[in-house]
Amino acid sequence: DAKTTQPNSMESNEEEPVHLPCNHSTISGTDYIHWYRQLPSQGPEYVIHGLTSNVNNRMASLAIAEDRKSSTLILHRATLRDAAVYYCILRDGNAGGTSYGKLTFGQGTILTVHP
Amino acid sequence: NAGVTQTPKFRILKIGQSMTLQCTQDMNHNYMYWYRQDPGMGLKLIYYSVGAGITDKGEVPNGYNVSRSTTEDFPLRLELAAPSQTSVYFCATREGSSYNSPLHFGNGTRLTVT
Repeated sequence: DAKTTQPNSMESNEEEPVHLPCNHSTISGTDYIHWYRQLPSQGPEYVIHGLTSNVNNRMASLAIAEDRKSSTLILHRATLRDAAVYYCILRDGNAGGTSYGKLTFGQGTILTVHP
Repeated sequence: NAGVTQTPKFRILKIGQSMTLQCTQDMNHNYMYWYRQDPGMGLKLIYYSVGAGITDKGEVPNGYNVSRSTTEDFPLRLELAAPSQTSVYFCATREGSSYNSPLHFGNGTRLTVT
């Protein structure tokens, strides 16, 4: 699986936007960019995913660079509940591949949200 | 709709003991996964299943066994517990047939082996 690089930690204030970066310079043409987050003492939770175009859902937005070598997860108004570890993960979208849909987790970014 | 339910939430084992971590889901998802998460680390895949009766090894299968007799249940068995198996264990399911479908995780079983 192609590797991703994220900052170890970031901080934000409540009600402000948060931009979480992810570098994936070795991404292949069939790799989708997925984001999960893990709140304290809970299992990971799906946030969003995309291939080339920017994506929006009720939780966040995903901005993907034109060359796809980096992406940014955007939380539009951080709340205290958004404090979590955020994982940027590449998944092979080739249905005929051997990845069996697994997720390969790195260290992630610890997001701290201040009141 | 309970999603993915894991039991027990916590367990302490002595070295050499055995136990089964239970995972059940009510979403009728075919794909299921077992991950472990060591302190301060990301998750590593232990075993996965693509449907009832079919299982396969992930990245770190040694010391574990699984079975999948029904779509709903995917138990993980530790036969001879070792301190290296102290970890938090997460079960997950995958919705849909696409390899890119989101995974749904349970809240984990925290296991300590002493």
